[in-house]
Amino acid sequence: QQQVKQSPQSLIVQKGGIPIINCAYENTAFDYFPWYQQFPGKGPALLIAIRPDVSEKKEGRFTISFNKSAKQFSLHIMDSQPGDSATYFCAASRPSNTGKLIFGQGTTLQVKP
Amino acid sequence: DAGVIQSPRHEVTEMGQEVTLRCKPISGHNSLFWYRQTMMRGLELLIYFNNNVPIDDSGMPEDRFSAKMPNASFSTLKIQPSEPRDSAVYFCASSSHNRGRGNQPQHFGDGTRLSIL
Repeated sequence: QQQVKQSPQSLIVQKGGIPIINCAYENTAFDYFPWYQQFPGKGPALLIAIRPDVSEKKEGRFTISFNKSAKQFSLHIMDSQPGDSATYFCAASRPSNTGKLIFGQGTTLQVKP
Repeated sequence: DAGVIQSPRHEVTEMGQEVTLRCKPISGHNSLFWYRQTMMRGLELLIYFNNNVPIDDSGMPEDRFSAKMPNASFSTLKIQPSEPRDSAVYFCASSSHNRGRGNQPQHFGDGTRLSIL
């Protein structure tokens, strides 16, 4: 019940396409859902995050869609660029004093020029 | 802000040797996390500390692994003896999370790439 399942494992799109990465969870106590972006040789960095009281959040070209009843959330990248090529992780956490995150398995995205 | 600083960036050593990885969290952060990343298993949480106290070490794979946080500005992850299957990238992350402030992002270091021959 602590798992976050992420798909697909890898994704290739053309420049300008809209890659979509999906995540599903079981634990209804989760109340915070961030996405992290990781470039080769670097640590993951927070990209965007959402709470279950909203169904969508946009930051620039990145959008999170959240479906509380289905216990699913997804990341959309509008007008994708080759510079978006990276590994993306979804995560979830429940209220706590420590901020522990449960990470998905990651999706490697390649955006072709 | 210097961010989370990890050392060394790369470590190559022979099986059986002791390996010590170091982490300096962001000043003022009260939670520190150690992760291991491999192609097969993805990003695994090994152990995390809150206010220098280990909270959950259930992700530590074996007794060969140990972690300490002697003060708010330093933590170590030690593997003794090391084995080839320990080869991975090890990340340290810190955050200033507390329940009253709500969720705060975890800030990751650039990792230590460990190769055990």
